[in-house]
Amino acid sequence: GENVEQHPSTLSVQEGDSAVIKCTYSDSASNYFPWYKQELGKRPQLIIDIRSNVGEKKDQRIAVTLNKTAKHFSLHITETQPEDSAVYFCAANRNSNTGKLIFGQGTTLQVKP
Amino acid sequence: DSGVTQTPKHLITATGQRVTLRCSPRSGDLSVYWYQQSLDQGLQFLIQYYNGEERAKGNILERFSAQQFPDLHSELNLSSLELGDSALYFCASSAHPSPTDTQYFGPGTRLTVL
Repeated sequence: GENVEQHPSTLSVQEGDSAVIKCTYSDSASNYFPWYKQELGKRPQLIIDIRSNVGEKKDQRIAVTLNKTAKHFSLHITETQPEDSAVYFCAANRNSNTGKLIFGQGTTLQVKP
Repeated sequence: DSGVTQTPKHLITATGQRVTLRCSPRSGDLSVYWYQQSLDQGLQFLIQYYNGEERAKGNILERFSAQQFPDLHSELNLSSLELGDSALYFCASSAHPSPTDTQYFGPGTRLTVL
């Protein structure tokens, strides 16, 4: 089957702390794992993605790690800021000739000033 | 701005009615995706088109249909609407249908069925 589990569903941190969101996927053929940030009433926006040929990718305060053996990947946000508050979605593709993405249920991140 | 446009922004209609949602992909993108986002279901993949042809299908109801036109814009048709169809409908586009191509989302259409 195709399934992406995301945890936690809500996360509250103090400004300046780190936040970690974890996802587990079921399809071992998946090879593309994007993360999207969605602010209230807005579109999902890609913040970082990773392909299965690398284990880690970093972009300023955001990093993603991938463990293909365990079939899980994580989003790490360091030095969190109030503007990081949003819903974060992980996703995994199906390794076929399509771009079908399976999304996790989302994590609501609240960064307290 | 990702360049994907969707119209209308909001749509309010009654049960049993039919509506059409429209999407224009980013310039140069050939593939279009439709997603449904409801409170209890998260983001659900509906259907994908590439250069006018259906490429992949998700959990799209038989009451729903879509197509991609020669100018690459796409329309999602929802008929015999039910209360449970109320949701945000997002269109996304990518350059190619590759499983690893980045998908850019449009602003969405909020459908309310009364």
